[in-house]
Amino acid sequence: SAVISQKPSRDICQRGTSLTIQCQVDSQVTMMFWYRQQPGQSLTLIATANQGSEATYESGFVIDKFPISRPNLTFSTLTVSNMSPEDSSIYLCSVESHSYGYTFGSGTRLTVV
Amino acid sequence: GQQLNQSPQSMFIQEGEDVSMNCTSSSIFNTWLWYKQDPGEGPVLLIALYKAGELTSNGRLTAQFGITRKDSFLNISASIPSDVGIYFCAGQGSAGNNRKLIWGLGTSLAVNP
Repeated sequence: SAVISQKPSRDICQRGTSLTIQCQVDSQVTMMFWYRQQPGQSLTLIATANQGSEATYESGFVIDKFPISRPNLTFSTLTVSNMSPEDSSIYLCSVESHSYGYTFGSGTRLTVV
Repeated sequence: GQQLNQSPQSMFIQEGEDVSMNCTSSSIFNTWLWYKQDPGEGPVLLIALYKAGELTSNGRLTAQFGITRKDSFLNISASIPSDVGIYFCAGQGSAGNNRKLIWGLGTSLAVNP
């Protein structure tokens, strides 16, 4: 399967600050996604990261809060802006490839204090 | 957003026992996926199903794509301690917005050695 490197693996941040999460894939992929997983919950899709254009956000998520970059077919970033304790979650990068289906990074565990 | 009905929510079994969990949906899917998530990790794909009625095995794991295309089950035979984790089902439609993965809420499995 595609190998995904996600950084940082965890962080503790002060409220009001922003954190940028990086996702690097070892091969070119068309589709990249960002998910949020709140403690003890299932996965919720935040947005689809589109290469060369603005991300497509799901209902309840907006670009000002979760800006996303996708400069090429192997890399994307998700920023969690103006954080509050409610943003404490695991954030997961995922890619879809024709060969391997959906693959996930190991996640970023964010705690906002 | 839409979610699948996944049951049971949790299971506590003895090592060596067989396990069965299932997912149902009000919508028809073209693909059913089963993932396992270990603590501190992202979900890892166990089995992918692409055809109604399909029965697929991966070692001690067996999954089936329901004939109605609205359900799927996952069986684990002769459970071992490393089977501990959270198992998620996910369904995917055919095209456009329906290609987004719809997730179950997870089955938490504990195995008593």
